Amino acid sequence: NAGVTQTPKFQVLKTGQSMTLQCAQDMNHNSMYWYRQDPGMGLRLIYYSASEGTTDKGEVPNGYNVSRLNKREFSLRLESAAPSQTSVYFCASSEGQSGSQYFGPGTRLTVL
Amino acid sequence: AQSVSQHNHHVILSEAASLELGCNYSYGGTVNLFWYVQYPGQHLQLLLKYFSGDPLVKGIKGFEAEFIKSKFSFNLRKPSVQWSDTAEYFCAALNQAGTALIFGKGTTLSVSS
Repeated sequence: NAGVTQTPKFQVLKTGQSMTLQCAQDMNHNSMYWYRQDPGMGLRLIYYSASEGTTDKGEVPNGYNVSRLNKREFSLRLESAAPSQTSVYFCASSEGQSGSQYFGPGTRLTVL
Repeated sequence: AQSVSQHNHHVILSEAASLELGCNYSYGGTVNLFWYVQYPGQHLQLLLKYFSGDPLVKGIKGFEAEFIKSKFSFNLRKPSVQWSDTAEYFCAALNQAGTALIFGKGTTLSVSS
């Protein structure tokens, strides 16, 4: 089992460019999450998907959109990147919403 | 607003010293609590969790945590740290809606050999 995989690992964007971060899990989990990690801020939830076909905003959703493509995949899109979106992005999944979450390796994004 | 607080931003210890990292959450009722560890350059891994039952929870790599409901606390402990425990440690709690985790800001542990 690969667990939770994320692509790309690193990305540099210019302000205003768009991109999609991909996430997939092979644990047959129902719930998936996107977080951003900034120094001294811990992890903050951007969006989550409790089950296939549903998505909800987290603590810091502005500037992002998500798609739960199927049970395995949950993508995060930046339509017009801003320097404030420079961060490390982690995807996670869990069996149910109250269960333990399993994290991917992260995507380090720099917006110039 | 619901929150999770970690008291120590950076802890520096020598090998074999004992460790205790503080964590408090801000709301009552039923709560699911977690400690995650992030080794340098790696993703978060689950150390241990508490859902119910025995308030003393044992996790991987010799870590344990004690849930004290009256103090809204879930402190992480290890009797004797090793150099390989150098990492960032995050406490997290399931929010009251039961939909997602709220993370503390993390504690960086540096262990010198």
